Amino acid sequence: GENVEQHPSTLSVQEGDSAVIKCTYSDSASNYFPWYKQELGKRPQLIIDIRSNVGEKKDQRIAVTLNKTAKHFSLHITETQPEDSAVYFCAATYNNDMRFGAGTRLTVKP
Amino acid sequence: EAGVAQSPRYKIIEKRQSVAFWCNPISGHATLYWYQQILGQGPKLLIQFQNNGVVDDSQLPKDRFSAERLKGVDSTLKIQPAKLEDSAVYLCASSSLVNEQYFGPGTRLTVT
Repeated sequence: GENVEQHPSTLSVQEGDSAVIKCTYSDSASNYFPWYKQELGKRPQLIIDIRSNVGEKKDQRIAVTLNKTAKHFSLHITETQPEDSAVYFCAATYNNDMRFGAGTRLTVKP
Repeated sequence: EAGVAQSPRYKIIEKRQSVAFWCNPISGHATLYWYQQILGQGPKLLIQFQNNGVVDDSQLPKDRFSAERLKGVDSTLKIQPAKLEDSAVYLCASSSLVNEQYFGPGTRLTVT
């Protein structure tokens, strides 16, 4: 089955800096890659996603890149703000079977 | 559009007791998922329904966990008997379009 690895497990940045979280997956059939943000005690919220026919997608300060050949994808957050502090999960999906990474705890210091 | 609803939000039980969780998906969403999220980890899929049929339950510990979605809408997840290691947040999610899943608030289970 699919195995998703996520790095780093914790990330601390200064407000205004960029943050990058990286994930690798094992199943080349995976074709949908969402990113979720989970604040303490709350549900995971979908923040951006990318499908396998696209290499990059951007939504304001958030972007995701996908390298199908290397089977890795990354989340980029620019101009980070304290409210970006949360745990971020990547996932890889094939046929609605979604497998999550272990998460990255992002802390943005004001 | 109302989101995914779950109840209860919190539950504390003793080991070997039984517990049931309820989920109401977003209206019109055919696919429903139950995940287990242990503290500090990503959600782990327990079972996936398409309407009232099971699509994937390969990671469901069937000796103690069961789930049903009899009318293809609401779903219940049951644990009987509970173990200490079942302490986790149980998340329900639903989707209509291929792959886009929306999560409920979760039920935090503590087994003592």
